[in-house]
Amino acid sequence: AQSVAQPEDQVNVAEGNPLTVKCTYSVSGNPYLFWYVQYPNRGLQFLLKYITGDNLVKGSYGFEAEFNKSQTSFHLKKPSALVSDSALYFCAVSRNNAGNMLTFGGGTRLMVKP
Amino acid sequence: NAGVMQNPRHLVRRRGQEARLRCSPMKGHSHVYWYRQLPEEGLKFMVYLQKENIIDESGMPKERFSAEFPKEGPSILRIQQVVRGDSAAYFCASSPGQGGNSPLHFGNGTRLTVT
Repeated sequence: AQSVAQPEDQVNVAEGNPLTVKCTYSVSGNPYLFWYVQYPNRGLQFLLKYITGDNLVKGSYGFEAEFNKSQTSFHLKKPSALVSDSALYFCAVSRNNAGNMLTFGGGTRLMVKP
Repeated sequence: NAGVMQNPRHLVRRRGQEARLRCSPMKGHSHVYWYRQLPEEGLKFMVYLQKENIIDESGMPKERFSAEFPKEGPSILRIQQVVRGDSAAYFCASSPGQGGNSPLHFGNGTRLTVT
């Protein structure tokens, strides 16, 4: 079985400061890792993914994430937060042969204050 | 290029009625996934379909729930004899292929309220 943990229900950060949203995973085999963002009353929007290759993955809107195999983590980061980044962020994992049957974490609400 | 279209956006049903949720995938996408989101929780996988085939329904409750993706028309998630615990947001996603190189594209969801 595969699982994802997002240990923080909410992350508060001031605009202009760096942000980190944490994610750890458990999966047999090689993981496919994803970050999605959800705005109120909307579906999820894809931010970035790790399949293979460089451990640092760059995605949409200036976000990036670092795959750390030894720590089984895939933390989402951004050097300088914007108020408009405030939203619900979901980390997800699938096994490399399980296609897009993703297992999602419980989500982390990011609040960026001016 | 229209995205994943779900309708209705909001659906209210009384206990015991049937709910039908529709999903039209993005153009060119033949893989459809249904997820359920309870308030303040993550998404839970329900079912994965390709045209005319159910590939994996391991996340679907054994009773009252069914899904189809016919050769023509949208994918349908059907919930019979709804109960209050079925109240949730139901999201459909599509992809052009099965692999992780084809990230999911999500619709805006159908919010089902059972009264």
